[in-house]
Amino acid sequence: DIQMTQSPSSLSASVGDRVTITCRASQTISRYLNWYQQKPGKAPKLLIYAASSLQSGVPSRFSGSGSGTDFTLTVSSLQPEDFATYYCQQSYSYPPTFGPGTKVEIK
Amino acid sequence: QVQLVESGGGVVQPGRSLRLSCAASGFTFSDYAMHWVRQAPGKGLEWVAVISFDGSTKHYADSVKGRFTISRDNSKNTVYLQMNSLRAEDTAVYFCARDPPTTVVTEWYFEHWGQGTLVTVSS
Repeated sequence: DIQMTQSPSSLSASVGDRVTITCRASQTISRYLNWYQQKPGKAPKLLIYAASSLQSGVPSRFSGSGSGTDFTLTVSSLQPEDFATYYCQQSYSYPPTFGPGTKVEIK
Repeated sequence: QVQLVESGGGVVQPGRSLRLSCAASGFTFSDYAMHWVRQAPGKGLEWVAVISFDGSTKHYADSVKGRFTISRDNSKNTVYLQMNSLRAEDTAVYFCARDPPTTVVTEWYFEHWGQGTLVTVSS
């Protein structure tokens, strides 16, 4: 199975900050990388698919980049509703696997 | 709009069985692969199983293979997860999720999610 890691595991940030989360795959996954946002007690929500494609309805302050093994999710200006846990997930091969998550908290 | 509503969760003893259901609406159900993904309390996400649009292809995580069975009834717009020989480590919120539009069996990611149903395996 492909192992996914994320860094940091948590971060504290203020409204308006630029935030970057990193995801790394244990082997090359081309651009088969997706990002989800999850708020407490809620289902995950797809933000980014295929490394950099913004899911319909997702604000443009979210962006993704990367290919191969290293990927990033960037929030250009953090909003109050963005405080959540973010997961990366590879869709390159079966079984699909998730990173452990990055919790974004209010500073 | 796409809606996925899970049901069937509850408390069950180790070794017993439970069947989860996920009722879909707002899209042509028979066109899409469907998944189950779970999340243990306070933990991350784990993919469980997928079924193709027509039910002909199924894949499972190693952790549930041989114990769980995914199925679907396209006439009822519903996907199921039959869980047998349940273990304490199966305790989790179980989400159903829909594949994105695709021409292959599955794109292996999750465009829409239900709200989840909690399964607790405990004596």
